[in-house]
Amino acid sequence: KNQVEQSPQSLIILEGKNCTLQCNYTVSPFSNLRWYKQDTGRGPVSLTIMTFSENTKSNGRYTATLDADTKQSSLHITASQLSDSASYICVVSPYNNNDMRFGAGTRLTVKP
Amino acid sequence: DARVTQTPRHKVTEMGQEVTMRCQPILGHNTVFWYRQTMMQGLELLAYFRNRAPLDDSGMPKDRFSAEMPDATLATLKIQPSEPRDSAVYFCASALKSGGPYNEQFFGPGTRLTVL
Repeated sequence: KNQVEQSPQSLIILEGKNCTLQCNYTVSPFSNLRWYKQDTGRGPVSLTIMTFSENTKSNGRYTATLDADTKQSSLHITASQLSDSASYICVVSPYNNNDMRFGAGTRLTVKP
Repeated sequence: DARVTQTPRHKVTEMGQEVTMRCQPILGHNTVFWYRQTMMQGLELLAYFRNRAPLDDSGMPKDRFSAEMPDATLATLKIQPSEPRDSAVYFCASALKSGGPYNEQFFGPGTRLTVL
C-alpha cells in the first residue's frame, strides 16, 4: 500500500480560479513533506518543503499547509494560470531525509 | 545558471543491449540521486550517493543495474542487459547535504529510455 495518497487524481479548472490538492500520508516517523511541480517532459521542481513543525509555507501563488496530527497536507493554488498545468507530486520523508515516499501525483489542467 | 544535466535525453535500444545514462550534478552538490518514473509506478528512488559513495541502492535491481560516480562531476547509471520493462524516464537529481533538517533536490531533465 502506498504510504502517500494524493487526490484528486486529475483536475480541470478555468484560468483565474483557485484550487486545492490533497495529500494524505501514513509515513511515520515523519521528517519533512515536499510538493513538487512537474511539467510534461521535464523533471520535478520543488515548490515547498515543510518540516513536521511547520504548518504552512508559501511560494508565490502556491501555499502548502501541513497537519502533522492528521497526517494531511494540501497545496492551494491561487488565481491559476495556464502555466500551472502540470502534475503536482507530494513527497514525504521519514526519519532519513533521503528515504523519500512519493505520491502518484495530481494532474492539473488549467483551461482558458 | 546552475542545473543538473543528463545525457542522452532519449534512448531507444533493443532488448539485451547495454544502456548507460550520464548525469552531471550541480557543481558543489555532494549528493546525487537516481530515480525512475513510469506511468504505472510513478517516481521511484533507485539509488543515491553522498560524496561519491553509494549510500542506498535498495531500490535498484542489482542483477542488471549498476550506478557509479567516477568523479564528483559525473554519475552513471548502467543497465546490462536491458529489458522492455526497463522502459521509463530516468531522472538524476543533486543536492547539497548540510546540517539543516532537509536538503532541496534539483532534478535534471531526464533520459527517456525505450527498450524494444
